[in-house]
Amino acid sequence: GAVVSQHPSWVICKSGTSVKIECRSLDFQATTMFWYRQFPKQSLMLMATSNEGSKATYEQGVEKDKFLINHASLTLSTLTVTSAHPEDSSFYICSGKRGGSYNEQFFGPGTRLTVL
Amino acid sequence: GENVEQHPSTLSVQEGDSAVIKCTYSDSASNYFPWYKQELGKGPQLIIDIRSNVGEKKDQRIAVTLNKTAKHFSLHITETQPEDSAVYFCAASMGITGGGNKLTFGTGTQLKVEL
Repeated sequence: GAVVSQHPSWVICKSGTSVKIECRSLDFQATTMFWYRQFPKQSLMLMATSNEGSKATYEQGVEKDKFLINHASLTLSTLTVTSAHPEDSSFYICSGKRGGSYNEQFFGPGTRLTVL
Repeated sequence: GENVEQHPSTLSVQEGDSAVIKCTYSDSASNYFPWYKQELGKGPQLIIDIRSNVGEKKDQRIAVTLNKTAKHFSLHITETQPEDSAVYFCAASMGITGGGNKLTFGTGTQLKVEL
């Protein structure tokens, strides 16, 4: 149980375009979902926290107008990178937290974004 | 905010030996401490966690210990196998009672199990 999927697993796009990444909890309802970014050989950096039906809470330094997060249902959250630039190239990972659980977060497999 | 330090950054052991990774945290309000294993190009996988009301937890070859007074916790892997080779991250959280459920991660330990 507690499986999270992401789509796509990798994407290459041109500078200036927008990219949408989907995060789905497959066998549980995720009341809270988190989006992280990870650069090579570095730790996970939290970008934002989203609760179903509410606006996302962004970490300091993360541009909310550039990284649009939607959490429309208890099993789906999306991250849209708008007007992507090469510096946005990274590994994006989402996680879901079951309602009522202590704080167990289950991570998706990640999405490798490369902006040319 | 919470700060988590993790050591060592790299660890090489011989197959069959034990591996120990240590983390310290700064916020005494933290009460949930998970450990994640991340293989190259994949998302982190929860391997074990511990809550502040216990001092030790074991699951087969993996164990975690917690010292609340000293604010440090450790991951112990016994009888290491080549498939244990990966990056391991510790994390700390204030659980559902505070901190917005956010996890603060350590910097990671690259474990290599050599034949």
